[in-house]
Amino acid sequence: DTAVSQTPKYLVTQMGNDKSIKCEQNLGHDTMYWYKQDSKKFLKIMFSYNNKELIINETVPNRFSPKSPDKAHLNLHINSLELGDSAVYFCASSQTSGADNEQFFGPGTRLTVL
Amino acid sequence: RKEVEQDPGPFNVPEGATVAFNCTYSNSASQSFFWYRQDCRKEPKLLMSVYSSGNEDGRFTAQLNRASQYISLLIRDSKLSDSATYLCVVNAPYNQGGKLIFGQGTELSVKP
Repeated sequence: DTAVSQTPKYLVTQMGNDKSIKCEQNLGHDTMYWYKQDSKKFLKIMFSYNNKELIINETVPNRFSPKSPDKAHLNLHINSLELGDSAVYFCASSQTSGADNEQFFGPGTRLTVL
Repeated sequence: RKEVEQDPGPFNVPEGATVAFNCTYSNSASQSFFWYRQDCRKEPKLLMSVYSSGNEDGRFTAQLNRASQYISLLIRDSKLSDSATYLCVVNAPYNQGGKLIFGQGTELSVKP
């Protein structure tokens, strides 16, 4: 059983398109995250939700909109895709929002914008 | 200055070698420290938390020096399966949302 799953695994699209990435966790965790890992391998947090409420919103363009329909799901919608959005996007979850909690990552979505 | 800095490597070592990774962090108010491991084209996974008194898990030893804002990871008797990128991770203080800040990782390649 996959603990944190993401779909799709690969996404290739044209500049200007709108796309969504879905994430689900079956661990019963309260907190979910979206991270972006760029070509230099830096992993940076984008958003965090605790029990469907936004608690961390880093300086991310407002073309990126997360949505949490329930605490097991956190989706990421991206409007007007740009070349610089090409990266691997990881979803993660943790039991609570405390920073001492282990975070469990999904397998990643490799986004390529042409 | 980056919030979490690591030597990116790569470190190329023979099987059985001992290898040490270093990491420095900039925010003295950070309270939680970790090492994560990321295999090529895979997701990061927690390797171990780092405690003030230092801690060991099998061949892996983590140390923390709060005064110097320095974290280390020592791997003894390296195995081929240790080849991966090791990410030093520090939490931001709660007034910054308590988020985790990742270093760019140190790549390790263990050769036969």
